Amino acid sequence: NAGVTQTPKFRILKIGQSMTLQCTQDMNHNYMYWYRQDPGMGLKLIYYSVGAGITDKGEVPNGYNVSRSTTEDFPLRLELAAPSQTSVYFCATSGGLLSNQPQHFGDGTRLSIL
Amino acid sequence: EDQVTQSPEALRLQEGESSSLNCSYTVSGLRGLFWYRQDPGKGPEFLFTLYSAGEEKEKERLKATLTKKESFLHITAPKPEDSATYLCAVRPPKGGSEKLVFGKGTKLTVNP
Repeated sequence: NAGVTQTPKFRILKIGQSMTLQCTQDMNHNYMYWYRQDPGMGLKLIYYSVGAGITDKGEVPNGYNVSRSTTEDFPLRLELAAPSQTSVYFCATSGGLLSNQPQHFGDGTRLSIL
Repeated sequence: EDQVTQSPEALRLQEGESSSLNCSYTVSGLRGLFWYRQDPGKGPEFLFTLYSAGEEKEKERLKATLTKKESFLHITAPKPEDSATYLCAVRPPKGGSEKLVFGKGTKLTVNP
């Protein structure tokens, strides 16, 4: 039972490059989320999705894009990478907070931009 | 702005030495408080959800409690394997119902 799988686990990018962080889940959850975690800071919500074809901005969406074409996958796109986007990125899924379901997290993608 | 403050930032205990971690919040009309455990290099792992003042939840050596303005995570007779960062998150009443606000965490170290 894989749960939430994130790839890659580590990546180094040059300033201005682009990349896509992958997240896939086998929990059949409708809700999916992307967070970033900086050292000494709390998790910050980037984008979230309440189902295929529906996405919405979180607290820190600038510099990122998402899409949700299937229930299982929720990729996060970085365009024109900047040093400020160096962080650990976590994907999470949930059956929905409205139904009192907690969020379940993957093990993260550690991204460095140099 | 909704605020979640966790204290202390770091806590070092001897094995068997019980203590408590604090999570205070300024959200009015809380619609849920969540505790997570995070090991180095891993994603947060769900522990508890609390919804109303007076509520308590237990799991092994951990017990979470909730008042109107704060939550405590009590650790009884901790073992080295309890060493981790403990995160608190709240679900505020305003804004998107799916959003959680996280604290910065308490890093717990339990020495043998």
